Amino acid sequence: DIQMTQSPSTLSASVGDTVTITCRASQSVITWLAWYQQKPGKAPKLLIYKASTLESGVPSRFSGSGSGTEFTLTISSLQPDDFATYYCQQYESYSEYTFGQGTKLEIK
Amino acid sequence: QVQLVQSGAEVKKPGASVKLSCKASGYTFTSYFIHWVRQAPGQGLEWMGIINPGDGTTSAAQKLQGRVTVTRDTSTSTVYLELRSLTSEDTAMYYCARGHSRQGFDSWGQGALVTVSS
Repeated sequence: DIQMTQSPSTLSASVGDTVTITCRASQSVITWLAWYQQKPGKAPKLLIYKASTLESGVPSRFSGSGSGTEFTLTISSLQPDDFATYYCQQYESYSEYTFGQGTKLEIK
Repeated sequence: QVQLVQSGAEVKKPGASVKLSCKASGYTFTSYFIHWVRQAPGQGLEWMGIINPGDGTTSAAQKLQGRVTVTRDTSTSTVYLELRSLTSEDTAMYYCARGHSRQGFDSWGQGALVTVSS
């Protein structure tokens, strides 16, 4: 099984800051990696797929990069609406999709 | 617009089974995979399984194999998840989600809470 490890688990930041979340895979997933945002009581929302492709309608302050085993999600100029939990997900294999444990982005 | 509408909350006793539904609309049902993802209270996301509505082929997470069955009814554009031999560890919010051509899960149902309690 491919394991996904996110860091940090919790991140404190202020409106206007730029933050980066890292996701590491236990083996190469090439660029088959997605990022999701989840707010309390809501379903996750797709932000980025194929490591760096922005989903339609997602603000351009969100960006993704990486390949192989190391990936990052960067949020520039944080807005109040961005404080949420973020998950990475690998989908290298049709029969196995794994999420990271999540990163909670809190207001400092 | 794309919609996935899930069935309602369920309360089950340990050892019982639960069958959840996910009705799709707003797109060609057979063109997109449907996944099931669950989230225990206060915990992260866990992928459970996938079905290709086009041909009915399925796959399930290794830890759930033998307890989970995913099926579909193309006449009603509905996907079902059955989970058997429930324990308290199966208490979670269960989501269905649409997946397409390696572009992530782009639409999600509203979730269905399953509570397993004696």
